[in-house]
Amino acid sequence: SQKIEQNSEALNIQEGKTATLTCNYTNYSPAYLQWYRQDPGRGPVFLLLIRENEKEKRKERLKVTFDTTLKQSLFHITASQPADSATYLCALDRGSTLGRLYFGRGTQLTVWP
Amino acid sequence: DAGVIQSPRHEVTEMGQEVTLRCKPISGHDYLFWYRQTMMRGLELLIYFNNNVPIDDSGMPEDRFSAKMPNASFSTLKIQPSEPRDSAVYFCASSSTGTGLLAQYFGPGTRLLVL
Repeated sequence: SQKIEQNSEALNIQEGKTATLTCNYTNYSPAYLQWYRQDPGRGPVFLLLIRENEKEKRKERLKVTFDTTLKQSLFHITASQPADSATYLCALDRGSTLGRLYFGRGTQLTVWP
Repeated sequence: DAGVIQSPRHEVTEMGQEVTLRCKPISGHDYLFWYRQTMMRGLELLIYFNNNVPIDDSGMPEDRFSAKMPNASFSTLKIQPSEPRDSAVYFCASSSTGTGLLAQYFGPGTRLLVL
């Protein structure tokens, strides 16, 4: 079955620094990978999608990379702010089952002033 | 659009009782997903529908769980009888392949506590 690992359960960084979160997967080659943000007591919110033929994607202070050789995605938040504190989930498809996503356990990011 | 709507937001019930969770997906979305989230197991897919038809229910823990989607704008997840280990947050999400985006849009969740 698809196995997805996010680098750590928690990451603490200082405001203004770049946060880098890692998502590793095994067994399958996804057609696309997604990142979601989840705040306490709320549902996950879609942030970015990157396809297998894309190396990098950006949205404002967010950047995602996708290395299908390493089976890894990196999620960067530049100039981090306390408001970026949340849990970030990566999710990927299995290529053959359209629509279904497999979610990682998430990394809880805390940005302190 | 109001987004995905779930009800109730909170449910406290006693073991053995029937629980029904409800979901209204975003209008025009053709996929609907039911997830369960716990600290121990993270976000687990229970079942999903495409155009109101169940596609994969392999994540449904046991026969006590059932889900229906009678039309494009409504789905239910039922637990009968409920057990304390069913306590979790249940999310409904919807997505659309029409735009090619495939992102999932989650509702606020139903926090279920079975005593």
